[in-house]
Amino acid sequence: DTGVSQNPRHKITKRGQNVTFRCDPISEHNRLYWYRQTLGQGPEFLTYFQNEAQLEKSRLLSDRFSAERPKGSFSTLEIQRTEQGDSAMYLCASSSFEGGLETQYFGPGTRLLVL
Amino acid sequence: AQSVTQLDSQVPVFEEAPVELRCNYSSSVSVYLFWYVQYPNQGLQLLLKYLSGSTLVKGINGFEAEFNKSQTSFHLRKPSVHISDTAEYFCAAGEWEGTDKLIFGTGTRLQVFP
Repeated sequence: DTGVSQNPRHKITKRGQNVTFRCDPISEHNRLYWYRQTLGQGPEFLTYFQNEAQLEKSRLLSDRFSAERPKGSFSTLEIQRTEQGDSAMYLCASSSFEGGLETQYFGPGTRLLVL
Repeated sequence: AQSVTQLDSQVPVFEEAPVELRCNYSSSVSVYLFWYVQYPNQGLQLLLKYLSGSTLVKGINGFEAEFNKSQTSFHLRKPSVHISDTAEYFCAAGEWEGTDKLIFGTGTRLQVFP
């Protein structure tokens, strides 16, 4: 399968714990995006990378959140001192330019539940 | 895009009936548009996209969408739905002169009944 993969698919943690999610993009896709989706809402942009450079961060990304893409391939999203409000689906997407248009392809997501 | 609005949170329809899911956007610059579908506990799958040119765009699974600049709309249609089309549908927009992130609508739940 050459699609975007995310691990783990589900994570249950206690408030105050740290969690880390991994995203493996489609190979040769230079851009990688993280979104957060809460129940009944559409995905909201968190941050994105062009190769290993983090080019933009949303105001939604508090100091407890950090994302990396050290070698320009896979990316990790870490949440420190989790809060119940962090419970959501975390989606990763990688993109390619097709016919002059950047198209994002999404992974299956990691569903986080903070108790 | 400044915002994307999907006015219908739920659309119930009988199998083999036509359906239209509405999407409106607001932006001060030119936009490109997408429709994604999300099945339960899965990520988003690209249905179709609009870049420029022909305003009628055809996608996968028999879906199509029409871009209307004057009405700032990009409604999704299918002439005959199947039970398997039951899912959440998201409209998304990006700005040509803006950042590269997508702005999503809140989604429309399409429920197809036998």
